[in-house]
Amino acid sequence: NAGVMQNPRHLVRRRGQEARLRCSPMKGHSHVYWYRQLPEEGLKFMVYLQKENIIDESGMPKERFSAEFPKEGPSILRIQQVVRGDSAAYFCASSPRSGNPSTGELFFGEGSRLTVL
Amino acid sequence: GENVEQHPSTLSVQEGDSAVIKCTYSDSASNYFPWYKQELGKRPQLIIDIRSNVGEKKDQRIAVTLNKTAKHFSLHITETQPEDSAVYFCAASKPPGGYSTLTFGKGTMLLVSP
Repeated sequence: NAGVMQNPRHLVRRRGQEARLRCSPMKGHSHVYWYRQLPEEGLKFMVYLQKENIIDESGMPKERFSAEFPKEGPSILRIQQVVRGDSAAYFCASSPRSGNPSTGELFFGEGSRLTVL
Repeated sequence: GENVEQHPSTLSVQEGDSAVIKCTYSDSASNYFPWYKQELGKRPQLIIDIRSNVGEKKDQRIAVTLNKTAKHFSLHITETQPEDSAVYFCAASKPPGGYSTLTFGKGTMLLVSP
């Protein structure tokens, strides 16, 4: 089991460009979560998805950010028209079920570090 | 919403000493408190957790205590080793649960010197 796989690990974009971050959950996991980690900050929840459904996007900015988890393929976090403030580490996590945190079954990927010039 | 405060932001200890990291939370409904360890450039990993019906939990050199009345919980690492050096995050979650309800502290960078 390869674990949660994220790519790219590092991404550099100029202001105004688009960033696409990919996440393949652990085998057997159908629930995906995206978190953002700003420098010297904790992890902040962005969005929770199941296959073809967005379950909770309460932590995601209303503009420029979108996420999907298609029937086939990885989950994608898309940031349009990036600005310097989008520079952060974006972590994906997956779980095998709808997520009772007390089961401890949340596994993180190694993150995608976005730098906006 | 929930607010989790974590202190200190950095902690330096000598190998063999104990380290204590403290967190407070604001929402009395929170009932699950995990701790994650994140080594430099690596993924956060769950190291220990505690539920609100328990006051203390221990796993080898790591222990967590919870004071529901005061709304604070702490991570205790004894006999620290250089490989304990990492950033540690506390978090709190409340019913109805779900990982989307996890609120993280800002992290504590622990440095253990040989």
